Amino acid sequence: DTGVSQDPRHKITKRGQNVTFRCDPISEHNRLYWYRQTLGQGPEFLTYFQNEAQLEKSRLLSDRFSAERPKGSFSTLEIQRTEQGDSAMYLCASSLGAGTANYGYTFGSGTRLTVV
Amino acid sequence: SQKIEQNSEALNIQEGKTATLTCNYTNYSPAYLQWYRQDPGRGPVFLLLIRENEKEKRKERLKVTFDTTLKQSLFHITASQPADSATYLCALRSGTSSGNTGKLIFGQGTTLQVKP
Repeated sequence: DTGVSQDPRHKITKRGQNVTFRCDPISEHNRLYWYRQTLGQGPEFLTYFQNEAQLEKSRLLSDRFSAERPKGSFSTLEIQRTEQGDSAMYLCASSLGAGTANYGYTFGSGTRLTVV
Repeated sequence: SQKIEQNSEALNIQEGKTATLTCNYTNYSPAYLQWYRQDPGRGPVFLLLIRENEKEKRKERLKVTFDTTLKQSLFHITASQPADSATYLCALRSGTSSGNTGKLIFGQGTTLQVKP
């Protein structure tokens, strides 16, 4: 297993367009998280899945954002009608249970979104 | 409101010295605290986890302390090297988080620069 994969690495889109990002977690990890990070800030929680169930969404996540994890494997994050304020790094992380004692989260390298 | 604070000013030290980074939090009762390293353009990488009933944890040149009375964690890198230059993030999982999601809340990170 090669860790958490995110695709694409970079995305430039025009304001108002829809974009979709994909995350492939570590196969045996049942928990998957999406975070957003802007320059100089720490990652900001967006949403969380346990297997295929989306169990928590941040209040920051407007209804333009939707995430899925069909069959509890890969996950997609879609942003509709993008705005310039959506420009950020979108990070996916996975973990086993609540994070096994010594391993924490495994993050992907992120998708850098630029809305022009 | 809940808040995690890390020193936003970069920490510049000489190679071979010990770097000490601080993480303070308010209005949390964290079950555990984690430290991550993040290089530019990459996702965070897990370093260490310390539980609320542990005072200190070590891993090679890294040491983390956790004082739940002071609501503070210190992260030390001994015999620092230029390769240790990166941004270091602390993250908390609240012990009162409903549903036991394992959701982490991150600080904004402190950038460490180790000069040869």
